[in-house]
Amino acid sequence: QVQLVQSGSELKKPGASVKVSCKASGYTFTSYAMNWVRQAPGQGLEWMGWINTNTGNPTYAQGFTGRFVFSLDTSVSTAYLQISSLKAEDTAVYYCAREGYSSGWYDAFDIWGQGTMVTVSS
Amino acid sequence: SSELTQDPAVSVALGQTVRITCQGDSLRSYYASWYQQKPGQAPVLVIYGKNNRPSGIPDRFSGSSSGNTASLTITGAQAEDEADYYCNSRDSSGNRYVVFGGGTKLTVL
Repeated sequence: QVQLVQSGSELKKPGASVKVSCKASGYTFTSYAMNWVRQAPGQGLEWMGWINTNTGNPTYAQGFTGRFVFSLDTSVSTAYLQISSLKAEDTAVYYCAREGYSSGWYDAFDIWGQGTMVTVSS
Repeated sequence: SSELTQDPAVSVALGQTVRITCQGDSLRSYYASWYQQKPGQAPVLVIYGKNNRPSGIPDRFSGSSSGNTASLTITGAQAEDEADYYCNSRDSSGNRYVVFGGGTKLTVL
């Protein structure tokens, strides 16, 4: 079945880096854009940006430039989110989400990974 | 950039109809999509586009839009509909950025 499976929870110290993976299965990976969404504890969803799975070109939302990097390995149908120089405020669940429905008037995320909890604490 | 505003909390009696709204300037140009999120789970898409339901979403969920306001209506709310609901849309920058609303906690009484 169509699914996105993310890597497991991470506990990191401030200043460290983390790389979250999102492995797609059940569909052609390069046919759909991939988005990343953050959810801090007890908070709402925050769109981080998206990556074109054909070209590898990333687009970052305001507030997610510099320390955040989206990348792909199309040979294994996997998207990655790397965060460097981690801060306590990066503590959150990070989701990858397939942009399954898209037109000139909407973008809808139809398949979501299970989420990866990243905890930043000394 | 753009913002989408949702009421923080809404309640509905079991079996009744509830409307959850999402307001923002971008909704004059773009449709909202709606997501349901239960505690400890990933969001699930329930409505997208003008009023489209992905496979497996009950037909008690419907969407509509007027001016700068998008609405998600649940007709005959069930206990299992108790969840957080988020809208999203493209923002009005024209650069294919996306914005989420702050979410609405729906309580089914």
